[in-house]
Amino acid sequence: GENVEQHPSTLSVQEGDSAVIKCTYSDSASNYFPWYKQELGKGPQLIIDIRSNVGEKKDQRIAVTLNKTAKHFSLHITETQPEDSAVYFCAARYNNAGNMLTFGGGTRLMVKP
Amino acid sequence: GAVVSQHPSRVICKSGTSVKIECRSLDFQATTMFWYRQFPKKSLMLMATSNEGSKATYEQGVEKDKFLINHASLTLSTLTVTSAHPEDSSFYICSARDGGATEAFFGQGTRLTVV
Repeated sequence: GENVEQHPSTLSVQEGDSAVIKCTYSDSASNYFPWYKQELGKGPQLIIDIRSNVGEKKDQRIAVTLNKTAKHFSLHITETQPEDSAVYFCAARYNNAGNMLTFGGGTRLMVKP
Repeated sequence: GAVVSQHPSRVICKSGTSVKIECRSLDFQATTMFWYRQFPKKSLMLMATSNEGSKATYEQGVEKDKFLINHASLTLSTLTVTSAHPEDSSFYICSARDGGATEAFFGQGTRLTVV
C-alpha cells in the first residue's frame, strides 16, 4: 500500500516569511495529491491539490510542486500570516473511485506575529 | 468547495451506551464516504470506507461490530459506536466524495468523550 512521509512535524516562522512543507510517497501509481489545513477542533479543509499530469499549481499565496520521478511533493506558503497557523496534512491517492487517501503525519505550522 | 456536515460536533456519553454520528453531504451526492479517527496531535487514521447501498469495508484492526457504519442514501452516512468505552474517546471525522470527482471533503469532526 501507499506510504506518505511528511516533514517537518513542526515549523515555526516569522510573519511574512515563507513556509515549506515536504512529503514523499511510495506508490508510483498515486496520481492525486491534496493538501489539507486543520484548525484546532475542526475537520481538515482542502486548500490545494495537484494531479500527476502537472508539476506545479499556485493559488494566491499557496503553491504546490510535484516531482513524480522523485515521488515527492511540497507545499509552499508565502507571506505567512498568523491565521495560517494550523496543522497541515499532505495526502496521496490513486484516483480510482472508492480509493482512500493516505495521509502524512502532519505539520504544525506556527506563524509568529 | 462542497459542504459536508457532521453532527454532533461534541458528545459525552456514559460507558456502555451507544452513540450515533451523522455525516451529510449538503450539495452533492456522496457515493463514497470515509470515516476516520484522529488521536491528539496525530494524523487521520482511516477506519472504514462505505459506498452507498453497500456494506462498509473496514480497515484492519477496526471492529465492525463496534463501529457500525450505515450509508443508506447518497447524502447520509452514520457511524454508531456501540457499547462505548473510555478508550473510544477520540475525534471522529467523516469525508465524502462524489464518485465522478477527485476531491474529498471533510466534515467538521465529532469529539466523543466516554465517561
